[in-house]
Amino acid sequence: DADVTQTPRNRITKTGKRIMLECSQTKGHDRMYWYRQDPGLGLRLIYYSFDVKDINKGEISDGYSVSRQAQAKFSLSLESAIPNQTALYFCATSDSDGQGSTDTQYFGPGTRLTVL
Amino acid sequence: RKEVEQDPGPFNVPEGATVAFNCTYSNSASQSFFWYRQDCRKEPKLLMSVYSSGNEDGRFTAQLNRASQYISLLIRDSKLSDSATYLCVVMPGNTPLVFGKGTRLSVIA
Repeated sequence: DADVTQTPRNRITKTGKRIMLECSQTKGHDRMYWYRQDPGLGLRLIYYSFDVKDINKGEISDGYSVSRQAQAKFSLSLESAIPNQTALYFCATSDSDGQGSTDTQYFGPGTRLTVL
Repeated sequence: RKEVEQDPGPFNVPEGATVAFNCTYSNSASQSFFWYRQDCRKEPKLLMSVYSSGNEDGRFTAQLNRASQYISLLIRDSKLSDSATYLCVVMPGNTPLVFGKGTRLSVIA
């Protein structure tokens, strides 16, 4: 079984709809991340969480919200989807070495979201 | 200046060729450096970490030049399966990783 899973894998929705993307991990990592990837723009960080009680905005958080329900689960919501949120969304996890350093990130398989 | 810059390519090379990618970063306090590989429509995966003294993993060699703030990846004896996008990744501090936009490599038979 995959260590980092994302649901759904593909989603087509309409402008104005509320969408939730879910991420689960079995790696036991404290840190979780949401990215979006667009052609020519690379990976851009939306939100990240270093533990269950910690939520931080990334580079492009406007129009998104997150919930860290447990160590293993990190959800991304689009309250009112718009067409320019059409993208490939990745969840990732990483561990801490106890000294505050972030190490290797492990990515989920991605969710392809299309907003019409 | 962007935090992490890479030549987007594409680099089109024949099988067996040696190819090198460079990447520059802007934050001189950056602590950790990585190369990730991403296949088309797939998730990025760690290829190798980059250590100050340089490191090698089979056909892949990574080097770091802190003074000039650049990282390199050398691939020897290229295989068709090496075709992918290679992402340069930097950790500025106790903050999330910063990803470059990637360099696309196509190895041609």
